[in-house]
Amino acid sequence: AQKITQTQPGMFVQEKEAVTLDCTYDTSDQSYGLFWYKQPSSGEMIFLIYQGSYDEQNATEGRYSLNFQKARKSANLVISASQLGDSAMYFCAMRGALSGGYNKLIFGAGTRLAVHP
Amino acid sequence: DAGVTQSPTHLIKTRGQQVTLRCSPKSGHDTVSWYQQALGQGPQFIFQYYEEEERQRGNFPDRFSGHQFPNYSSELNVNALLLGDSALYLCASSLGPGSTEAFFGQGTRLTVV
Repeated sequence: AQKITQTQPGMFVQEKEAVTLDCTYDTSDQSYGLFWYKQPSSGEMIFLIYQGSYDEQNATEGRYSLNFQKARKSANLVISASQLGDSAMYFCAMRGALSGGYNKLIFGAGTRLAVHP
Repeated sequence: DAGVTQSPTHLIKTRGQQVTLRCSPKSGHDTVSWYQQALGQGPQFIFQYYEEEERQRGNFPDRFSGHQFPNYSSELNVNALLLGDSALYLCASSLGPGSTEAFFGQGTRLTVV
């Protein structure tokens, strides 16, 4: 079964420090995509970063980077220099042919991040 | 540039009633996907519309139906509401199905009593 697992229900970090949010996935697809989204209390899902299964380099977008370890089926999100505005729910998601097709994202249960001053 | 807009933001319905939720995609986007997010869970895919047709459907009963209009906006209809339908309903738009980037709206919070 295609599945995303986020084992950290909640995390906290001091402002200006780095934090890693864990994500493991299970798929039989050879070609798939991995996503991270941020959901503040307003409810909107904000796209952060994307990693394709055939991308050789880890994706980076500003303060966000994705630590992609294909053999371990791991796609952890690293946020550097945390800011108070980073406090939110973070979701890891996947899509692939066997995950229901490229039109469908499968989400994990999310990790709530709290950034302390 | 307006992003994805959803209406209404909140509504309360009674069991057995019907509800219609609306979504206007980001300017230039032609594909709309709908997700249901129960409290404390990740979103679950309901279906996707492209070229006014349902292209893919998740594991939801036929009580959930949708429509896409020529201007790419979309509606989600839920009939015979159950208490378990209470959730945040999110709309995502993209340029073409299978795009690597989808933009989400702020959602409609539906409460069934």
